[in-house]
Amino acid sequence: DAGVIQSPRHEVTEMGQEVTLRCKPISGHDYLFWYRQTMMRGLELLIYFNNNVPIDDSGMPEDRFSAKMPNASFSTLKIQPSEPRDSAVYFCASSTSGQGIQEQYFGPGTRLTVT
Amino acid sequence: GESVGLHLPTLSVQEGDNSIINCAYSNSASDYFIWYKQESGKGPQFIIDIRSNMDKRQGQRVTVLLNKTVKHLSLQIAATQPGDSAVYFCACDRGSTLGRLYFGRGTQLTVWP
Repeated sequence: DAGVIQSPRHEVTEMGQEVTLRCKPISGHDYLFWYRQTMMRGLELLIYFNNNVPIDDSGMPEDRFSAKMPNASFSTLKIQPSEPRDSAVYFCASSTSGQGIQEQYFGPGTRLTVT
Repeated sequence: GESVGLHLPTLSVQEGDNSIINCAYSNSASDYFIWYKQESGKGPQFIIDIRSNMDKRQGQRVTVLLNKTVKHLSLQIAATQPGDSAVYFCACDRGSTLGRLYFGRGTQLTVWP
């Protein structure tokens, strides 16, 4: 299995531009999570899906952030417009509840820099 | 909300020594606990997990201890190696919300030769 796949690995953009981060979870996993990691705030959960349905988006910073999961094998996190304070590493993770296991498998992350 | 914290943000040990990383959690309903290792430039990777019906679980060179009375979790690494240098996170569930994990801030482990 290739694991969780994220793209791009690095993104540099100017303030005000739209940014789209992509994630392909592990096949068969029914949970998908988006996290943001910064030195100041550590690892923060932004939103998570179960069977493609958003369950908890209380961690989404504001209306500039949106996430979608159109099917079981793809999710996007969009920031529009981007701001310098959005600079962080964004992780996607997936897990399965099939056996009551909640171990989350993380992707390599997308390092976002907004100038 | 959920609170998960590590006792020390950094830990330095000499190669070959044993390492102990501690973590405290606040929700007594938490049922599942997990440790992750994050190397520089990579995503967190699973190390070991434990459920609340256990006090101890061992893996290869790692042991997790759970003390539900004081809501404390620890990760022990035997014969620490330079490759163990990383940030270690503890995480737990809330017991009622299936799927979601609550992460601590992490402890940076540095192993000196």
